[in-house]
Amino acid sequence: AQTVTQSQPEMSVQEAETVTLSCTYDTSESDYYLFWYKQPPSRQMILVIRQEAYKQQNATENRFSVNFQKAAKSFSLKISDSQLGDAAMYFCAYRSASSGGGADGLTFGKGTHLIIQP
Amino acid sequence: EPEVTQTPSHQVTQMGQEVILRCVPISNHLYFYWYRQILGQKVEFLVSFYNNEISEKSEIFDDQFSVERPDGSNFTLKIRSTKLEDSAMYFCASRAGWGLANYGYTFGSGTRLTVV
Repeated sequence: AQTVTQSQPEMSVQEAETVTLSCTYDTSESDYYLFWYKQPPSRQMILVIRQEAYKQQNATENRFSVNFQKAAKSFSLKISDSQLGDAAMYFCAYRSASSGGGADGLTFGKGTHLIIQP
Repeated sequence: EPEVTQTPSHQVTQMGQEVILRCVPISNHLYFYWYRQILGQKVEFLVSFYNNEISEKSEIFDDQFSVERPDGSNFTLKIRSTKLEDSAMYFCASRAGWGLANYGYTFGSGTRLTVV
């Protein structure tokens, strides 16, 4: 079974600075999808960014980018120019790319609580 | 932007009672999911549903749980006899299909279930 590990329960960053949240995963599969979700105090799960494992290019969405290291099974999230609205729990998630066999659900890490200092 | 809608936002129920949590997925999506998040813990997969049947379920999804898509738009999670440990936030999610472009799982805002 796949596992996702987020080793930082909490991170703090000054507004306008850059912060990196770490995520590692364990899998025997070669093709899969990785995601970062944001959960603000409203508790809604919001997709931040996604990456397909066979693509070497790191995904970028505005101020959010990832550092995907497939060999190291690492998928870190970098937030540039941090804003107060970025304060939230951030969850890393894994999904197998295999079809059928029921490997359909997302496996989440335990989350990192990001605090933005004004 | 299309949304996944969940009702109610908060439900309180007596232990042993049946509850039904309701979700309206995005209309052209094909795959539907329920996840659970116990307060302060990680989000856990419960079940996936495609083509009117369960495609995968986790160990959490025992005989007390069932899902249904009764009318082609609603997607429901039923807990037959609630236990205190069922207290959690329940999220519904849906996605369109295959390919990375369709792997934007869209989550609803959740239903907070409190069993007393």
